[in-house]
This record gives sequence, structure tokens and C-alpha cells, in this order.
Amino acid sequence: TQLLEQSPQFLSIQEGENLTVYCNSSSVFSSLQWYRQEPGEGPVLLVTVVTGGEVKKLKRLTFQFGDARKDSSLHITAAQTGDTGLYLCAALSGGSYIPTFGRGTSLIVHP
Amino acid sequence: DTEVTQTPKHLVMGMTNKKSLKCEQHMGHRAMYWYKQKAKKPPELMFVYSYEKLSINESVPSRFSPECPNSSLLNLHLHALQPEDSALYLCASREGGAPQFFGPGTRLTVL
Repeated sequence: TQLLEQSPQFLSIQEGENLTVYCNSSSVFSSLQWYRQEPGEGPVLLVTVVTGGEVKKLKRLTFQFGDARKDSSLHITAAQTGDTGLYLCAALSGGSYIPTFGRGTSLIVHP
Repeated sequence: DTEVTQTPKHLVMGMTNKKSLKCEQHMGHRAMYWYKQKAKKPPELMFVYSYEKLSINESVPSRFSPECPNSSLLNLHLHALQPEDSALYLCASREGGAPQFFGPGTRLTVL
């Protein structure tokens, strides 16, 4: 069983602060996804990274895929209350069509 | 059309009821998934259909019965559920090496 360790599990910050969420594994993945989920709603895909060392930016969000394709990070600059939610990383390896999920990071941004 | 739809949005049922959850996608995706999710936890895989055939059943109790009438539709039939089955039920689909796209979920409460 491949494990995807996501940290931190909970994060409570003030508006305007920066934060980073990490997703780590000892396995190599062919691709990794980051999702954001609001309570009672389905996860919404934010980004997919596939190339080792890849960096993608989505407004105030920066996503990195490690050179060895075993880890990833999500950095949010100047967090806003609208960033509140559950952030999930999910990874696929080889020809598998079953993603492995991290345990999620519950983010609360206070005004 | 780039979305997965799920109905109903909310469902309350007694332990003796029979109900069904419905999922639909028109993206031509050939893999469809059912997940169960508890609050602030990652989704737990229940079933996977590939090319309309059940390919994975993650040891789900028989009170949950999946059905794939065609390539666009996925149902989850519920019977004699327990209160601990209360959760958000998510449908997802994907094609090839692409990431999963999730529906908005059905919030199920079993009384």
C-alpha cells in the first residue's frame, strides 16, 4: 500500500498570513493532484503536476512537484477567508487508475 | 459539459428504507467511482466501474449495491443502512491518465 503523508492536518491562521501544506511519500508517482473542498461539497481540482521539479501558479497558490516525484507542496500567499476549506493531495502511480489520497489539511483563515 | 452531477443533494432515510443515489457525467469518461467521506477526512474508495463493469469493490457491506446502467450513469442503491453510514457520498469520473473529477456529493443521514 502506498502512503501519502500530508501535513499539517489542521491549520488556523489570520488573514494575510502565508502557509505551506506538504505531501510526502517514499513512492514515485506519475502525477499528483491538489483539490480544495468546502464543507458538504465535492473536492474541486486545483492543479495536476506531472513533471519532476515542476512549479505551477494559480493566483496566490504555488504548487511544486519534487524532483524525484515523491513529494509536493502547496504554498498560499496572503491567505484570505475564502481559502478556508479542506485541501487534499492525491497521487497516481504507473498505470493505476486508483489515486492514493493524503489525509487532508483542514485550513481555517480568520478575518 | 465538464461536470459530474449527483442527486439528491441531501437524503435522510430510516434504517428500513430503500433509496438510491444517482451520478451522471457526459465527458465520455470510462472509469467511474463511488467514495464515502466523513467530515474532515479524505474520501474512502467504495467501488470502481471501468467500461461499465465493476472492477473494484473495497469490501463494502452488501447493504450498498452499485449499478452502472450505461457509460454516463452510476447508481448506488441503499438498503437497511446503519446510522454509522451517514456521510457525504461522492461520485467521480476520469479518463486515461487524467485526474478525477468529483461531483458535488450527496449528504446522507441515516436515522
